Amino acid sequence: GAGVSQTPSNKVTEKGKYVELRCDPISGHTALYWYRQSLGQGPEFLIYFQGTGAADDSGLPNDRFFAVRPEGSVSTLKIQRTERGDSAVYLCASSTDGTSSYNEQFFGPGTRLTVL
Amino acid sequence: GDSVTQMEGPVTLSEEAFLTINCTYTATGYPSLFWYVQYPGEGLQLLLKATKADDKGSNKGFEATYRKETTSFHLEKGSVQVSDSAVYFCALRGPGANSKLTFGKGITLSVRP
Repeated sequence: GAGVSQTPSNKVTEKGKYVELRCDPISGHTALYWYRQSLGQGPEFLIYFQGTGAADDSGLPNDRFFAVRPEGSVSTLKIQRTERGDSAVYLCASSTDGTSSYNEQFFGPGTRLTVL
Repeated sequence: GDSVTQMEGPVTLSEEAFLTINCTYTATGYPSLFWYVQYPGEGLQLLLKATKADDKGSNKGFEATYRKETTSFHLEKGSVQVSDSAVYFCALRGPGANSKLTFGKGITLSVRP
């Protein structure tokens, strides 16, 4: 079975542009997470979906960041008016059920975003 | 809020040396604790976990014990190999519906032959 996949693997954009990052979770996983990893740091939580709804979006840094998961599978992280400080690796993870701390989160390879 | 503190790196060891990577945490309630590893060019992988006090997680020769009294989850391996060279992240996850992982900064381990 395929793992979590993310596209694109690399994205270079200019300051002020809009970007979309895609995550395909493991089939059947109802929980999906987005994290951001800046250089030399550990991943930081952005948002968590249980099914189609965002159960916890407390990690989104500001209103330029938005994420959707309309059919409870694929998710898209959207960043408006990108800034150089948004440059990071964006990680997606999925698990069978997000309501238990026992369920492992499986991570994708990440999208490296560079804002020039 | 929840936080995880890892010892400063990087760490360089010779093959077959003993490894300890320190990790302490701050959290409300009784979190689950994890070590994740990121090998060069690969994604994050779960290495081991412990879900309650005094539990010992183990995998691939690595071990870590959940110590509630010292709020620690130190990673150990008796004899490291070159193939253990990677970045290691300690993380916690709150109980119940609080589902996000909180990570430490990570530490780079290099093992030389």
